Amino acid sequence: KQEVTQIPAALSVPEGENLVLNCSFTDSAIYNLQWFRQDPGKGLTSLLLIQSSQREQTSGRLNASLDKSSGRSTLYIAASQPGDSATYLCAVRSPGTASKLTFGTGTRLQVTL
Amino acid sequence: GAVVSQHPSWVICKSGTSVKIECRSLDFQATTMFWYRQFPKQSLMLMATSNEGSKATYEQGVEKDKFLINHASLTLSTLTVTSAHPEDSSFYICSASRAQNQPQHFGDGTRLSIL
Repeated sequence: KQEVTQIPAALSVPEGENLVLNCSFTDSAIYNLQWFRQDPGKGLTSLLLIQSSQREQTSGRLNASLDKSSGRSTLYIAASQPGDSATYLCAVRSPGTASKLTFGTGTRLQVTL
Repeated sequence: GAVVSQHPSWVICKSGTSVKIECRSLDFQATTMFWYRQFPKQSLMLMATSNEGSKATYEQGVEKDKFLINHASLTLSTLTVTSAHPEDSSFYICSASRAQNQPQHFGDGTRLSIL
């Protein structure tokens, strides 16, 4: 059974810092991996999707990497801003599971002024 | 803009009431949609996979008679919480994607409060 873990569980950084969020998964046989952000009381916003054949994806100040063989992904946020404060979730989609996503535990990020 | 719409966003009702939540894919057809439940400060827990034109597939431990799912068209899935009780109070979220190699898009969620 696939298990997804995220560390740290919570992170507080001053504005302007670069930061890295980590995601690990136990079964490397994944179809793709997706990073989301969730604001309090809201749904999920898709940030980046990495297919299993890809190593990284970039969108603006966000860069996500994937090392499938070691079961790891990182989300790099450059020049953090207070508006980046949210919970970040990674999720993996495994083959043969009807497109189901297995979610990580999330990292709560606080960017302070 | 949003590609998955969920309605209502907030429901407060009395114990024993049945509550229906709608999930729509706005600009694509979704043969499969997913329903999740989220408790405060926890991650999402998959409840069931909604399959267009056939029965939903429920995850272990989820009562199918309590959480009725109907996926009657390629753009609409509904979740009905039957005879809801306070322990059913939670945040319910649906998702869909255009294809397996495309991103999953989520609705804004429905906060259900049972008094």
